[in-house]
Amino acid sequence: EVQLLESGGGLVQPGESLRLSCAASGFSFTSYAMSWVRQAPGKGLEWVSSIRNSGDNTYYADSVKGRITISRDNSNNTLYLQMNTLRAEDTAVYYCAKESSASPRYKDVWGKGTTVTVSS
Amino acid sequence: DIVMTQSPDSLAVSQGERATISCKSSQSVLYSSDNKNYLTWYQQKPGQPPKLLISWASFRASGVPDRFSGSGSGTDFTLTISSLQAEDVAVYYCQQYYSIPQTFGQGTRVEIK
Repeated sequence: EVQLLESGGGLVQPGESLRLSCAASGFSFTSYAMSWVRQAPGKGLEWVSSIRNSGDNTYYADSVKGRITISRDNSNNTLYLQMNTLRAEDTAVYYCAKESSASPRYKDVWGKGTTVTVSS
Repeated sequence: DIVMTQSPDSLAVSQGERATISCKSSQSVLYSSDNKNYLTWYQQKPGQPPKLLISWASFRASGVPDRFSGSGSGTDFTLTISSLQAEDVAVYYCQQYYSIPQTFGQGTRVEIK
């Protein structure tokens, strides 16, 4: 069974950092791009970042560019999202999603999400 | 950036009736080299992550009931639920993957009348 399990969310103060992880299982992790999508409370879905299967190409939304870094460890089937200089507007549920191909396309599997709250 | 606009924002349909959601993109998401529309639909039920319904504008994902169908091309797309069931109450999102940044519609909430 394909599974994605996010972790690392929590309550942080503005300006602090957080690293999210997503443990993948049940599929050939090295064959697929991966993405992070977030959802602020009561709001819609917002694409945050994607990474190709090999990790050699990364993509970011303008709203997070320069503050967030996506990476992956293909030897441990894990996706990461390093979030720095967090702002109140970064408060959201962060979903890890498996892409349908080696490049970002559509997301065919989603994790349950991890909640990030940025507040003083 | 490609802007995705869904309509309506919400709709209430009687059980067994048809529900139709529109999604329009600010530019074409039809890729000429492969003649595919880079458009997908997701369903998100309360308290759950999104779930893939339709890819390439009209291809149902595995396990999705055939009452769900997607149509359209270029900039205008439609998700149709032919006979609304209670378990279809959810928010539905379209998303384009033609270009980065990938962008979602604002969502359409579907309820039972």
